Amino acid sequence: DAGITQSPRHKVTETGTPVTLRCHQTENHRYMYWYRQDPGHGLRLIHYSYGVKDTDKGEVSDGYSVSRSKTEDFLLTLESATSSQTSVYFCAINSGRALEQYFGPGTRLTVT
Amino acid sequence: SQQGEEDPQALSIQEGENATMNCSYKTSINNLQWYRQNSGRGLVHLILIRSNEREKHSGRLRVTLDTSKKSSSLLITASRAADTASYFCATDGRETSGSRLTFGEGTQLTVNP
Repeated sequence: DAGITQSPRHKVTETGTPVTLRCHQTENHRYMYWYRQDPGHGLRLIHYSYGVKDTDKGEVSDGYSVSRSKTEDFLLTLESATSSQTSVYFCAINSGRALEQYFGPGTRLTVT
Repeated sequence: SQQGEEDPQALSIQEGENATMNCSYKTSINNLQWYRQNSGRGLVHLILIRSNEREKHSGRLRVTLDTSKKSSSLLITASRAADTASYFCATDGRETSGSRLTFGEGTQLTVNP
């Protein structure tokens, strides 16, 4: 998985609790992305980062925030988890020189 | 709605047959990419075709792009059971920045031994 890890890999949490997912890369790539994958919707971009402390919203950013204080880490936070945020979350990276993205193994999040 | 939409949603074939998946998109693109996802895993990049290219090959994969119809097809020749996976097209739109991709909903391919 191209030097990308995600943690945790699985998480069950209750509605209203905060949750932070971590994406860690060892490739020193500039761009990092968070997607969610749901049946019938494919992958949808939540937020992305184009450098340390530089982030922007994707198409489904409501209810999510991100932070990138180091090149290698990109954190996704659900401030107050809701059942609609039950999903599989994927992190991806891109060097900015090549065009393809490399994906992490995913985090399965269940909000009860 | 999704920028990329795959057709069919599901495809079941026998080993050795060819598999063709189609993708349609709505806006102008810089390039179109195809990814594969095995069950429970992350996506893996397969092939990229730029907007000024019409056809590209990589091993058993053949991708075509028709920008006038805003459509692409992925052909997998001589399929194998190991090709069983979901296949997604993704577009890098000219209106977006940051190497952002918009993914379709995917085609689930099942290759029966």
